Amino acid sequence: AQRVTQPEKLLSVFKGAPVELKCNYSYSGSPELFWYVQYSRQRLQLLLRHISRESIKGFTADLNKGETSFHLKKPFAQEEDSAMYYCALGSGNTGKLIFGQGTTLQVKP
Amino acid sequence: DTAVSQTPKYLVTQMGNDKSIKCEQNLGHDTMYWYKQDSKKFLKIMFSYNNKELIINETVPNRFSPKSPDKAHLNLHINSLELGDSAVYFCASSHQDRFGYGYTFGSGTRLTVV
Repeated sequence: AQRVTQPEKLLSVFKGAPVELKCNYSYSGSPELFWYVQYSRQRLQLLLRHISRESIKGFTADLNKGETSFHLKKPFAQEEDSAMYYCALGSGNTGKLIFGQGTTLQVKP
Repeated sequence: DTAVSQTPKYLVTQMGNDKSIKCEQNLGHDTMYWYKQDSKKFLKIMFSYNNKELIINETVPNRFSPKSPDKAHLNLHINSLELGDSAVYFCASSHQDRFGYGYTFGSGTRLTVV
């Protein structure tokens, strides 16, 4: 079954602390993985996708096929990083995205 | 200039009513989607159209009927609204580039059924 799991519903850190948002996936083929961010009551915005190996706003994510993980990391959290983060899996050729349950990141001053 | 625009932004209506949500994209994308975000913030695909043709229909009650008059528009009509339909509905469109699918989401329509 195709599935994305984000085990943490809420992650609370202090400003300047490192952040790691966990994402595990289940997919039989070659996965296409994304991280999306949703600031309070706004649209979802693409943060990064594994295939382009970008670093956006200081965030990075590495695909680990052995552990079927795509964890999102940032070395020093900022208050403006507070938002809901979704990990998503692109499923097949239809363009369908399967989302994880989302993790709320709260960065305290 | 908005790439994917949805109207209305907010919709409050009574149980049993019929309502529509409109979506338009000016990006020239071939594929459009409707996603539902429930009260627990869980996002799930409902429908997808590619160039006016339905390609994904994810076990959604048939009270929900998408319509795509052209590839730039994907509307969602909901009959006999129920309390459980209260959610945020996101429209999205996508294209394929050398990195795979690139998506753009609308800002959402917050539907409240009372």
